[in-house]
Amino acid sequence: GAVVSQHPSWVICKSGTSVKIECRSLDFQATTMFWYRQFPKQSLMLMATSNEGSKATYEQGVEKDKFLINHASLTLSTLTVTSAHPEDSSFYICSARKSGAYQPQHFGDGTRLSIL
Amino acid sequence: AQKITQTQPGMFVQEKEAVTLDCTYDTSDQSYGLFWYKQPSSGEMIFLIYQGSYDEQNATEGRYSLNFQKARKSANLVISASQLGDSAMYFCAMREAMDTGRRALTFGSGTRLQVQP
Repeated sequence: GAVVSQHPSWVICKSGTSVKIECRSLDFQATTMFWYRQFPKQSLMLMATSNEGSKATYEQGVEKDKFLINHASLTLSTLTVTSAHPEDSSFYICSARKSGAYQPQHFGDGTRLSIL
Repeated sequence: AQKITQTQPGMFVQEKEAVTLDCTYDTSDQSYGLFWYKQPSSGEMIFLIYQGSYDEQNATEGRYSLNFQKARKSANLVISASQLGDSAMYFCAMREAMDTGRRALTFGSGTRLQVQP
């Protein structure tokens, strides 16, 4: 199988705090990882594409200085929400895929972020 | 234009009956993939079924089947013999340029399915 582990699963913190979310591919190497955000009762919206060893590609409207992405190895990508505010409260979910064409994406279980 | 359209915000179905969840898509790529995911209230995304644009036969996975009509650009999910545990949000998704393998999934707005006893 292909397992993606995301940690933490739930974060509650005060406004102004920076929060780091980890996404790990446990049993495969992921050259590409994707970060999505999902507001309540809405669909998943792609935030950025994370490529190992290079800068992430951010979608239009996503602040790269706000959402720092680091993909330092073939099994780990991190998303850091810097100086989080209540409007950043959301469900963040990552996915990873093996290299090569026609490979499916495997999702982590998501992180619920609540900023007070 | 939206790439993935799910026109049913919510659906009800009786237990043991079949239900069809609609999905239409828009792309000019020749090589693309269509996916269905289930998202229960706990939040995780559960992969259900995949259809490649070059696949001539409709995909099936257990109680799930995908009614792929390429000319109409539709990829409806059929769940047979619904179970109470099928109650969840269902998302249709597409990945373009499947042969390059670099694109992310684009998701539809989802359909909330409720199975009634």
